[in-house]
Amino acid sequence: DAGVIQSPRHEVTEMGQEVTLRCKPISGHDYLFWYRQTMMRGLELLIYFNNNVPIDDSGMPEDRFSAKMPNASFSTLKIQPSEPRDSAVYFCASSPKSYSGRAYEQYFGPGTRLTVT
Amino acid sequence: QQQVKQSPQSLIVQKGGISIINCAYENTAFDYFPWYQQFPGKGPALLIAIRPDVSEKKEGRFTISFNKSAKQFSLHIMDSQPGDSATYFCAATQEAGNTPLVFGKGTRLSVIA
Repeated sequence: DAGVIQSPRHEVTEMGQEVTLRCKPISGHDYLFWYRQTMMRGLELLIYFNNNVPIDDSGMPEDRFSAKMPNASFSTLKIQPSEPRDSAVYFCASSPKSYSGRAYEQYFGPGTRLTVT
Repeated sequence: QQQVKQSPQSLIVQKGGISIINCAYENTAFDYFPWYQQFPGKGPALLIAIRPDVSEKKEGRFTISFNKSAKQFSLHIMDSQPGDSATYFCAATQEAGNTPLVFGKGTRLSVIA
């Protein structure tokens, strides 16, 4: 299994530009999570999906952030317009089905390092 | 949001020594407590986890100690090695409903020779 795949691995953009981060979860996992990691705030949960449906987006910082999961194998996190304070590492993680007894084992992708100048 | 408080923020241990990282939680409904390990440039990866029906779980050099009455749990790394140098996160959640993990802020461990 290739694990959780994220792209791009690094993104440098100018303030005001739109940024789209992509994630492919592990096949068969039906939970998908987006996190943001900074030195100051640690790992923050932004939003998570169950069976492609957003369950809790209370961690999304503001309306500039949006996330979609059009199918079980793809999700995007979009920032429009981007600001320097959005600079962080963004992680996608997926989790297997709850009845497996291992629903809480989250598998993280390698992350996307975003720099907004 | 329910909090998990982790300490220390950073830790330096001599090779062969014992590394100890502590976490405390507030929500008594939490019943699953994993530890994640993160190397630079990588995503966190599950290291070891415990449920409150036991007070200790050991996997190789890694041990979780759990104190339900104090609402605390800790990670002990025995015979610490330079390859253990990483950031460690504790987390907690409720099993029912597959609610998301609540993470501590992390501990950066450096094991020096």
